[in-house]
Amino acid sequence: DTAVSQTPKYLVTQMGNDKSIKCEQNLGHDTMYWYKQDSKKFLKIMFSYNNKELIINETVPNRFSPKSPDKAHLNLHINSLELGDSAVYFCASSLLPPDTQYFGPGTRLTVL
Amino acid sequence: KNEVEQSPQNLTAQEGEFITINCSYSVGISALHWLQQHPGGGIVSLFMLSSGKKKHGRLIATINIQEKHSSLHITASHPRDSAVYICAVGEWGTDKLIFGTGTRLQVFP
Repeated sequence: DTAVSQTPKYLVTQMGNDKSIKCEQNLGHDTMYWYKQDSKKFLKIMFSYNNKELIINETVPNRFSPKSPDKAHLNLHINSLELGDSAVYFCASSLLPPDTQYFGPGTRLTVL
Repeated sequence: KNEVEQSPQNLTAQEGEFITINCSYSVGISALHWLQQHPGGGIVSLFMLSSGKKKHGRLIATINIQEKHSSLHITASHPRDSAVYICAVGEWGTDKLIFGTGTRLQVFP
């Protein structure tokens, strides 16, 4: 039974398109996160939500918009995709920060 | 300079060797995390600690808050320990995770 799941696992798309990545956790956690891992494998936080409320919003372009319909889901919508958006995006959840975080399997986004 | 520095960047070991990976940070923290990223890409949390020492199987993590330094030790290393080990700190006040650049470990039989 997967704790943190993401869909899709792979996403290949053209520049300028709009795409979404979905994340769901069944751990009953209150806090969810989106991270970006670049081509050098460096991880950086993008957003965090606590019980559907935006808590952390790093310097991310406005083209990225997170949405949390309920505390078990945190989706990431990206408008007008650019080449530089190509990366692996990880969703994670924790009971509360700074507790142990549980990561999803990642979504590899390739923008052509 | 990164707020979280790890050393070494790459590490090669023979099976059975004792491994140490170091992490230094420059910000105030609420906790420090050690993560493991498998070759397939999945990320697993190994430890979260804010003081002292924790042990899980062959893995030991220590932290010295005054020196802003943590170490991850692997005893009796095994090829299945081959992975990238990432240190991350929860920044005091925001709790956002700031990541090190990772240490790539390869253990050969």
